[in-house]
Amino acid sequence: EVQLLESGGGLVQPGGSLRLSCAASGFTFINYAMSWVRQAPGKGLEWVSGISGGAGSTFYADSLKGRFTISRDNSKNTLYLRMNSLRAEDTAIYYCAKHLGYGVITPQELWGQGTLVTVSS
Amino acid sequence: IVLTQSPGTLSLSPGERATLSCRASQSVSGSYLAWYQQKPGQAPRLLIYDASSRATGIPDRFSGSGSGTDFTLTISRLEPEDFAVYYCQQYGSSPGTFGQGTKVEIK
Repeated sequence: EVQLLESGGGLVQPGGSLRLSCAASGFTFINYAMSWVRQAPGKGLEWVSGISGGAGSTFYADSLKGRFTISRDNSKNTLYLRMNSLRAEDTAIYYCAKHLGYGVITPQELWGQGTLVTVSS
Repeated sequence: IVLTQSPGTLSLSPGERATLSCRASQSVSGSYLAWYQQKPGQAPRLLIYDASSRATGIPDRFSGSGSGTDFTLTISRLEPEDFAVYYCQQYGSSPGTFGQGTKVEIK
């Protein structure tokens, strides 16, 4: 069974850091691009960052201004998102998503259940 | 690319036809446009990709059309489980942007 399991969310103070993880199983991880998409409480979807299957290409939403870093460890079938200088507006459910193909120019075919990040003092 | 979905809310009865619109601020490269369904407390689910291709396991009452800047998701006959929020997304240009969503509610 194809599965994505996010972890690492929680409560963090403004200016703090957090690293999210997404453990993938049931498919050949290296063959697929992966992304992080977030959803603030009661709001719509916002694409955050994407990475190609071989990790050669990474992409970010303009609004993040270098605060977030996406990476993957294909030997561990795990996707990561390092988030620095967190702000209240980063509060959201963060979803890990598997793309339909190797590159990020493909849709997000499968989504995890998400992990909640709350930025508050 | 900014995606604008309309209407914001669609109030319909089961069995009726639903037509959702997604308009892009500039042409979507390669018709790389997807539609997702999201129910309360659940992750989004891919319905349509490349503007008109149904994802695996999606019933044929869901169909997508369009190109350039204007795209449409049609649900031919609404089933009770179809009442949800629907998002369009373009993935042809980085960053991949989502529309603000259309809620399909029971009338």
